[in-house]
Amino acid sequence: ILNVEQSPQSLHVQEGDSTNFTCSFPSSNFYALHWYRWETAKSPEALFVMTLNGDEKKKGRISATLNTKEGYSYLYIKGSQPEDSATYLCALPPRGNDMRFGAGTRLTVKP
Amino acid sequence: NAGVTQTPKFRVLKTGQSMTLLCAQDMNHEYMYWYRQDPGMGLRLIHYSVGEGTTAKGEVPDGYNVSRLKKQNFLLGLESAAPSQTSVYFCASRERSRGPHEQYFGPGTRLTVT
Repeated sequence: ILNVEQSPQSLHVQEGDSTNFTCSFPSSNFYALHWYRWETAKSPEALFVMTLNGDEKKKGRISATLNTKEGYSYLYIKGSQPEDSATYLCALPPRGNDMRFGAGTRLTVKP
Repeated sequence: NAGVTQTPKFRVLKTGQSMTLLCAQDMNHEYMYWYRQDPGMGLRLIHYSVGEGTTAKGEVPDGYNVSRLKKQNFLLGLESAAPSQTSVYFCASRERSRGPHEQYFGPGTRLTVT
């Protein structure tokens, strides 16, 4: 069974703070790692798909890194804004075509 | 493009009743997925399909059946609803081309079983 662990479960930061959270996974049989952003009352939206050890991806103020050898990925948000408030999910496909999601990190950015 | 749509948006069932949730996508995606979302548990995969006429079990398939008769549609059925199936159900789809691709999600269906 592929366990995808995310920490922390929730995070409260002030506007302008930079923050990061973690996705941990078994390092064996790695295929890909996905990050999704999920705003309340909306659907999850893809942020990044990462496949290679050492991958770094960036979209605006949000970036992610991947370490497949030790089984973790970090998501960073620089200069958090209230509109960044959302749940951030990471997910991995255990067998390539399916998908196992972590429970998510719920970020609240206070103005 | 409408993307991924789900019908209905809300439904209340009594224990033992049956229903079918419809997911439709207009992006010509090969792969389609059904998830349920429960508090504190993220998204859990119920069933998925890698093409028309094919289906496979996910993490929590018990109590559900699916069919993929047309490429653009993926149906999720509950034959005899139970209160434990109260949840928000999300459908997603993705393309099949080489390499991993992100999934596109529908707006969700909120189901309550009393």
